[in-house]
Amino acid sequence: GQNIDQPTEMTATEGAIVQINCTYQTSGFNGLFWYQQHAGEAPTFLSYNVLDGLEEKGRFSSFLSRSKGYSYLLLKELQMKDSASYLCAVRDSNYQLIWGAGTKLIIKP
Amino acid sequence: SAVISQKPSRDICQRGTSLTIQCQVDSQVTMMFWYRQQPGQSLTLIATANQGSEATYESGFVIDKFPISRPNLTFSTLTVSNMSPEDSSIYLCSAGTELEAFFGQGTRLTVV
Repeated sequence: GQNIDQPTEMTATEGAIVQINCTYQTSGFNGLFWYQQHAGEAPTFLSYNVLDGLEEKGRFSSFLSRSKGYSYLLLKELQMKDSASYLCAVRDSNYQLIWGAGTKLIIKP
Repeated sequence: SAVISQKPSRDICQRGTSLTIQCQVDSQVTMMFWYRQQPGQSLTLIATANQGSEATYESGFVIDKFPISRPNLTFSTLTVSNMSPEDSSIYLCSAGTELEAFFGQGTRLTVV
């Protein structure tokens, strides 16, 4: 079967760095997405990785290793507004998105 | 990036009635999907909306309950038919290409 694993919840301190991991087993691979979702709102696109390596976008970076079925989202200089759920999703061979359950990130002052 | 307009943003409906949710994209996209999300949970794919043909439904979802239309590349509707309280959820439209996927703001449906 297809499976996306990510931690249920993480806590970090304002100004610090946090890494949210995602491991996947899917039928084929056509890219990995990270989304941010604040409570009561729709998911917001953060990043897309299809090749191995690190993609940096301001305070957010995303890493992919296809051979390991592994990705992480790195958030630097954490701000209180970064408190949200972070969803990992993999596009499979049918171009459908397989979603992880999301990681709830709690930022403390 | 694509901007997706979804309406209504929320509704409270009587059981047994139907609600149609509209999704309009401001640019050409190749893929459109409909998701359901229960509070605190991840997204569940209902179906892929296919232009000019019947939608492709995921296991557990059927056309009679969730009819979907996509008359052109940038517009789709999802109808939740003969609603029951179990249908109370957030319904999300997603659209994009092979490289990116964006979401509408969602429709919060409450069935009473």
